[in-house]
Amino acid sequence: DTAVSQTPKYLVTQMGNDKSIKCEQNLGHDTMYWYKQDSKKFLKIMFSYNNKELIINETVPNRFSPKSPDKAHLNLHINSLELGDSAVYFCASSQPPQMNTEAFFGQGTRLTVV
Amino acid sequence: TQLLEQSPQFLSIQEGENLTVYCNSSSVFSSLQWYRQEPGEGPVLLVTVVTGGEVKKLKRLTFQFGDARKDSSLHITAAQPGDTGLYLCAGRLRVGAGSYQLTFGKGTKLSVIP
Repeated sequence: DTAVSQTPKYLVTQMGNDKSIKCEQNLGHDTMYWYKQDSKKFLKIMFSYNNKELIINETVPNRFSPKSPDKAHLNLHINSLELGDSAVYFCASSQPPQMNTEAFFGQGTRLTVV
Repeated sequence: TQLLEQSPQFLSIQEGENLTVYCNSSSVFSSLQWYRQEPGEGPVLLVTVVTGGEVKKLKRLTFQFGDARKDSSLHITAAQPGDTGLYLCAGRLRVGAGSYQLTFGKGTKLSVIP
């Protein structure tokens, strides 16, 4: 069974479109994250969601909005896509961060904006 | 501002050689983790170090946490082609009352040539 699964794995779309990436974890974790990995492999946190508390990285444009229908899901919705949004987006989950536990990552969604 | 500086960014060595990767910061971390990422996959945890001065060994990999908990190193002995991948250090940083965040370095891309 896949611990953290995200769909789709690949997403090619035109500038200006709105798209969503879905993420589900079956580990029973309370905390979920979205990371963006650019072409230089830098993994940068976008959001963390812990027991309904959303922590936003202030450098993330407000075109990006996380939505959590329940503890097992944290979806990422992106409005008005731009060329610079092209990257690999990773969803992850863990026990509460203060517990020094492992973060489990999904396989990533490679987003290409054309 | 990059909280965690990793060096070197790229490393290409012959099979059988030893290598060390460094992760440095001016911030104090409650813990530090090392992840390994293979192409097309998400990062996978190798080790967590918590105590200043701590040394952990994982087969041919030796991890050390600095005494002041601001830096860490990963040493690989007798590197093998299977060690090829992107190595990421990640520090757990307190961002608010009871809130912690996992922040990644930019990674070291290791290639071990047979």
